[in-house]
Amino acid sequence: GAGVSQSPSNKVTEKGKDVELRCDPISGHTALYWYRQRLGQGLEFLIYFQGNSAPDKSGLPSDRFSAERTGESVSTLTIQRTQQEDSAVYLCASSLGGGRLPSYEQYFGPGTRLTVT
Amino acid sequence: AQRVTQPEKLLSVFKGAPVELKCNYSYSGSPELFWYVQYSRQRLQLLLRHISRESIKGFTADLNKGETSFHLKKPFAQEEDSAMYYCALRYQGAQKLVFGQGTRLTINP
Repeated sequence: GAGVSQSPSNKVTEKGKDVELRCDPISGHTALYWYRQRLGQGLEFLIYFQGNSAPDKSGLPSDRFSAERTGESVSTLTIQRTQQEDSAVYLCASSLGGGRLPSYEQYFGPGTRLTVT
Repeated sequence: AQRVTQPEKLLSVFKGAPVELKCNYSYSGSPELFWYVQYSRQRLQLLLRHISRESIKGFTADLNKGETSFHLKKPFAQEEDSAMYYCALRYQGAQKLVFGQGTRLTINP
């Protein structure tokens, strides 16, 4: 079946502009995660959704970052007043649920490469 | 704070040689450890998880709680193993994964 999809695949924006990144999880997956990967670094967690609530948003780096999710479907990550340090690949993942069962493997999307000039 | 360390950013071995990618973690509780792999132009995917105690594509990894390590090993490397490998940890009560910085493995012919 279809995997996690993200759009756009690439986004170039000017410093100070707002951007919206979209994630379509695998159908039926109740848990959704956003991660960020800066050049040469590992993935850093941003936010976790279970359904449309976000019990863990501890990784959002500042109040310029926000995310929402509609039911158990699409999620958007919004970055306001973008800065050059926001340049990164933003990855979305989804899983059947939020837990430790093997079936709760996180499946990753292809990512959105954001470049702030 | 929980942390995952992969000390080698780059690792290069010859085809047929053994390979070991190192991963150390800092967490005092009962962790869940994973290895993820990203092949060229593909998305990140799960390779194996310690609780499954499985061998995938010839790779194995054993959780050593005494040394807080979860090294990934394969006795005979193949060219198709060339990829970026990430070690990740999930600690008790959390859903998120904590990733290491990754190791780029290159298998030379």
